[in-house]
Amino acid sequence: GQQVMQIPQYQHVQEGEDFTTYCNSSTTLSNIQWYKQRPGGHPVFLIQLVKSGEVKKQKRLTFQFGEAKKNSSLHITATQTTDVGTYFCAGRRGGADGLTFGKGTHLIIQP
Amino acid sequence: DTEVTQTPKHLVMGMTNKKSLKCEQHMGHRAMYWYKQKAKKPPELMFVYSYEKLSINESVPSRFSPECPNSSLLNLHLHALQPEDSALYLCASSQKTSYEQYFGPGTRLTVT
Repeated sequence: GQQVMQIPQYQHVQEGEDFTTYCNSSTTLSNIQWYKQRPGGHPVFLIQLVKSGEVKKQKRLTFQFGEAKKNSSLHITATQTTDVGTYFCAGRRGGADGLTFGKGTHLIIQP
Repeated sequence: DTEVTQTPKHLVMGMTNKKSLKCEQHMGHRAMYWYKQKAKKPPELMFVYSYEKLSINESVPSRFSPECPNSSLLNLHLHALQPEDSALYLCASSQKTSYEQYFGPGTRLTVT
């Protein structure tokens, strides 16, 4: 079945440092979505990427979708304590109704 | 209204009990989902309903039985669960299955 691998599993950063999480799929994805889950909370949708090579920005967050539509990344510039949480990528194969989530990257920020 | 609601928030049940989890959305979404999430793990897809029809059952044991009475409601009926079924059960909805998903706050289930 489809696998979506995500690294790193944990990332400790000092506040103000940058952060990147990477996602790789074993199969071509029709789109990829990114979610954030705060401790004790539920996943919250951040963005969806659909086109090969697509880059989208949301303030300090930059999302990329690879040319082959098999990998994606999320980069946060100058982390803040509000960025704490787990970031999940989730891929959808063409024609499939469900999402396969990566294992997530737990972002821990030290003030 | 961009909210998905789930009841109850917490549920403790014995292995012989029968209980139901409820999920509701009023965003006009036509796809609804059940996920299971263990601590520090990603959500695992259980069921997908599209236009009130079950479109995906991810080989979930029959002790979990989903039901979609109408386009706004999704239930998960539980019977004869095992302690390893203890987890956070998340409901989500989306406009269609290819669109972004809105998650509810979840039901924290403990099976004793």
